[in-house]
Amino acid sequence: DAKTTQPTSMDCAEGRAANLPCNHSTISGNEYVYWYRQIHSQGPQYIIHGLKNNETNEMASLIITEDRKSSTLILPHATLRDTAVYYCIVSVGNEKLTFGTGTRLTIIP
Amino acid sequence: GAVVSQHPSRVICKSGTSVKIECRSLDFQATTMFWYRQFPKQSLMLMATSNEGSKATYEQGVEKDKFLINHASLTLSTLTVTSAHPEDSSFYICSANKLGDEQYFGPGTRLTVT
Repeated sequence: DAKTTQPTSMDCAEGRAANLPCNHSTISGNEYVYWYRQIHSQGPQYIIHGLKNNETNEMASLIITEDRKSSTLILPHATLRDTAVYYCIVSVGNEKLTFGTGTRLTIIP
Repeated sequence: GAVVSQHPSRVICKSGTSVKIECRSLDFQATTMFWYRQFPKQSLMLMATSNEGSKATYEQGVEKDKFLINHASLTLSTLTVTSAHPEDSSFYICSANKLGDEQYFGPGTRLTVT
């Protein structure tokens, strides 16, 4: 599986959009981009995934660049409960997930 | 969404004893279950992959005789840490997925070996 690079940490004001970047320059054509988050001392929670097209669900939007070498997870209106570590993972299928260090997102009141 | 439970949520055991952790998919049948370990301030590390009725596949560096995995049914997998030592103290997390669907993670089990 391809590796990903994410900023170690980010802050975002409550109510604003949180934009979390991820670089995956070695992604293969059949690899999806998955985003999970982990709130302290809990199991990871699935957020969203995509292959080529931008995706949106009730939690977030995923923007994938045309060359697929990077993506951005957007939380449109961040709340304090969105404070967590966010993991960007690339994988052929949703089988073997390799977690990197992720981005620690802190929502500031 | 699908729900995965783990039991117990916390366990403290003495060095040299064995501990069993259960992982259940509550409202779906899981084709595959996964076991991860997470040390403080570190990321999740995959330990093993298990499919119902077959032997688990362990990741490199994970001792299969120490971490026994049993996947007896499509809704239950167990991880037994045998002869536990303080260095086995960690946060153990399982996940399960349906074919073609995302992985659903359990809430984790915090193991402390004294």
